[in-house]
Amino acid sequence: ETGVTQTPRHLVMGMTNKKSLKCEQHLGHNAMYWYKQSAKKPLELMFVYSLEERVENNSVPSRFSPECPNSSHLFLHLHTLQPEDSALYLCASSQDLLYEQYFGPGTRLTVT
Amino acid sequence: KNQVEQSPQSLIILEGKNCTLQCNYTVSPFSNLRWYKQDTGRGPVSLTIMTFSENTKSNGRYTATLDADTKQSSLHITASQLSDSASYICVVSSDTGRRALTFGSGTRLQVQP
Repeated sequence: ETGVTQTPRHLVMGMTNKKSLKCEQHLGHNAMYWYKQSAKKPLELMFVYSLEERVENNSVPSRFSPECPNSSHLFLHLHTLQPEDSALYLCASSQDLLYEQYFGPGTRLTVT
Repeated sequence: KNQVEQSPQSLIILEGKNCTLQCNYTVSPFSNLRWYKQDTGRGPVSLTIMTFSENTKSNGRYTATLDADTKQSSLHITASQLSDSASYICVVSSDTGRRALTFGSGTRLQVQP
C-alpha cells in the first residue's frame, strides 16, 4: 500500500454520462498529479497541483475537469467523454514538485 | 525534444533466468533516472533512482546501471521469479527549475514457469 488511494477502481460510462474519479493521499504531500495511461504508450501527464493550486495543464480537453479542494484530495470530473478516453487513470503525489512521486492503483475507465 | 526509449518492448523468460532491460534517453539537463515496476492494473512503484554520479545501484535482485556519457541505463534482473512479471518503466527527470519528467513506454516482462 503506497498511501495513495483511488476510487473507483473500475468505471464504465456512456459518452453522455458525468462521473468523477477520486484520489486521496495519506502521506502529507503537497503536490498531486493526474496521469493517463493508454495501452503501449508512455504515461501522459494531465494536471499538476501544488498546494491546491493548479500549476500545469498539458493541453487536456475540457471534458476533463480537475478539482483539488485540499492537499489530500484530488478529483477528476468527466463529462461527454469519447471512446478514445478509455484508459487507466493514475493519481500520484509527492512531497513537493521536486520529489519522488508515489502512485495510486489507478482507475480503469471504459467509455462505451 | 526530451525522449526516453526502452527496449525491448516485451520479453518472455523462464523462471530462474536473468534478463536485462535497456533505457536510452535524450533528456537535458539531466537530474536523475528512475526505474518503476508496474504490475497489471496497478500504479507504478519505484525500484531505484540514479543520479548523475552513480554508475550502479542494487535493490535486491534488481541492479540498475547508468552511463551518463552515452545516456543509457539498464535494469538487470537476477534469478527471475513469477512475481517479476510486470511492466518496467524508465523515467528521466530534467532539472529545469521545476522538475519535468519524461516517461518511457515500458518493457513488458513475462516470467514463465
